[in-house]
Amino acid sequence: EVQLVESGGGLVQPGGSLRLSCTASGFTFSSYWMHWVRQAPGKGLVWVSRIKTDGSSTSYADSVKGRFTISRDNAKNTLYLQMNSLRAEDTAVYYCARNDFAAAVSSWGQGTLVTVSS
Amino acid sequence: QSALTQPASVSGSPGQSITISCTGTSSDVGGYNYVSWYQQYPGKAPKLMIYEVSNRPSGVSNRFSGSKSGNTASLTISGLQAEDEADYYCSSYTTSSTLVFGGGTKLTVL
Repeated sequence: EVQLVESGGGLVQPGGSLRLSCTASGFTFSSYWMHWVRQAPGKGLVWVSRIKTDGSSTSYADSVKGRFTISRDNAKNTLYLQMNSLRAEDTAVYYCARNDFAAAVSSWGQGTLVTVSS
Repeated sequence: QSALTQPASVSGSPGQSITISCTGTSSDVGGYNYVSWYQQYPGKAPKLMIYEVSNRPSGVSNRFSGSKSGNTASLTISGLQAEDEADYYCSSYTTSSTLVFGGGTKLTVL
């Protein structure tokens, strides 16, 4: 069974940093592109970033480019999202997700809440 | 990277069919056959319902179907059931090698 478990969320002040982790199991992690998707309270889904199987290619939404960095450790079956210069509008549940087929997100974690507030 | 445009809400009675539209541009929906649809219940993670415009993952009911014409994709749910009441989101690959989601549509089963 595919499992994705996020951790690292919490309360952080504006301008602060946080690193999210996502531990994968039940599949060959190194064979899949991975995504981060976020959802502000009561709002819709917003794509954040994705990374290629070997970490050699990444892409970001304009809203986080230059502030967030996606990475992965295939030996540890873990996906990361380093978030710097956090803003109130970054407050959201952050989902780790697996890419399947062509640009579709087939498996999702339960999400971790990030709250940016003073 | 503007969000794809979806109606905020749609509704239908049990047994009826409904269609949710998803409008983008030639840089996303119109440029690729990489449109997906997701179902999300309150407080739950989304579930993939349709990928590559019209394909259903294993286990998804054949009451769900997808299509595309130009810059607009559509999700049709036939034989509406109470359990279909949820939020639905479309997404598309873009020319910037990113993904973009729609704003979401709340489906109410009357």
